[in-house]
Amino acid sequence: ILNVEQSPQSLHVQEGDSTNFTCSFPSSNFYALHWYRWETAKSPEALFVMTLNGDEKKKGRISATLNTKEGYSYLYIKGSQPEDSATYLCAFEDSGGGADGLTFGKGTHLIIQP
Amino acid sequence: NAGVTQTPKFQVLKTGQSMTLQCAQDMNHEYMSWYRQDPGMGLRLIHYSVGAGITDQGEVPNGYNVSRSTTEDFPLRLLSAAPSQTSVYFCASSSRTSGRAGGELFFGEGSRLTVL
Repeated sequence: ILNVEQSPQSLHVQEGDSTNFTCSFPSSNFYALHWYRWETAKSPEALFVMTLNGDEKKKGRISATLNTKEGYSYLYIKGSQPEDSATYLCAFEDSGGGADGLTFGKGTHLIIQP
Repeated sequence: NAGVTQTPKFQVLKTGQSMTLQCAQDMNHEYMSWYRQDPGMGLRLIHYSVGAGITDQGEVPNGYNVSRSTTEDFPLRLLSAAPSQTSVYFCASSSRTSGRAGGELFFGEGSRLTVL
């Protein structure tokens, strides 16, 4: 079982502030790193799938970076809005050919306070 | 667009009963999978399939069966329900080739199962 850790577990941020959180994953057998946004009472939706060391991806106010050599990815949210409140999941996809190759972290629960 | 459709959304079972969670996707994805979500845990893979006629076990397969007779459908069967199977179940599909994902997962809306 691969170890995918997300921190912090939960985060309260004031509306308008920027924030970031971390996903750490094994630095060997890397294939891809996924980020998903999961709103309460809905299903997870993909934000980014990152495959190359040094990748930076952006969607609106949300961006992510990837460091495969040291095994971490950061997700950044600029100018947080109440609609950003959600749980953010990362998932590590390995190239080892094992079952599925997609291991999820437990998520960072983000609450934006007006 | 329908995407990934799961039924039922809610189900209550008694210990020992069997049931099937249905999952269908209309995106012509070869890859389909079932996850369970429990408090304090990440999504854990139960079973997956890389194409019609091919299934394999994930991290937590015990107590569950799957089959993949068509590209569209991937039902999950609970053979003899136990309280430990109380959970929220998600079906997900992805475009993939040769058993590798790379592509994002598309999730169904989830099925909340309670086993008494």
